[in-house]
Amino acid sequence: GAGVSQSPRYKVAKRGQDVALRCDPISGHVSLFWYQQALGQGPEFLTYFQNEAQLDKSGLPSDRFFAERPEGSVSTLKIQRTQQEDSAVYLCASSRGGAYGYTFGSGTRLTVV
Amino acid sequence: KNEVEQSPQNLTAQEGEFITINCSYSVGISALHWLQQHPGGGIVSLFMLSSGKKKHGRLIATINIQEKHSSLHITASHPRDSAVYICAVRSEETSGSRLTFGEGTQLTVNP
Repeated sequence: GAGVSQSPRYKVAKRGQDVALRCDPISGHVSLFWYQQALGQGPEFLTYFQNEAQLDKSGLPSDRFFAERPEGSVSTLKIQRTQQEDSAVYLCASSRGGAYGYTFGSGTRLTVV
Repeated sequence: KNEVEQSPQNLTAQEGEFITINCSYSVGISALHWLQQHPGGGIVSLFMLSSGKKKHGRLIATINIQEKHSSLHITASHPRDSAVYICAVRSEETSGSRLTFGEGTQLTVNP
């Protein structure tokens, strides 16, 4: 596609519910990143894929967070047993890798009530 | 202390004014990015810099590697420039090519 597509744009979840956030990167982009952005803050790194390999998951805040990219294209970020502190915008970015720049999606705004 | 610090946090200007947003970082970097974020979350990449200066329309970005400092300038500012401007660095010390972000500068340009 022409850009990075994220869905849903908005998600309201009840505390304890599981959610799945989807990212469709630009075709051919080998690198894919997930970031979490709390209100009024800059984005914080969650995890990084190169093709289907998850090379860095050091930013995932707890074992309730899980990300996958099984075929090296679409990625899903799953949050189990959501808590109020998980409320944030979740941003996906993709890149050709190396010295190339990044293209960001519009984000998914998750609100846990 | 954050690895990436921006100033000011908030900036209000009148249409036509010259704007400067500053970014300081504390790690060795391979690249620095300036990003624009509008309400609703979408982020647009404005510049990627590793040295010197880049210009695109009314936007100018400079970087001083020795001083670990970058500036984003907007000439002849316009209300449509109102957005959050974020500085982000790609560190030499982290794996892959992930970015570390500043907290952003909220710019409001009044007509």
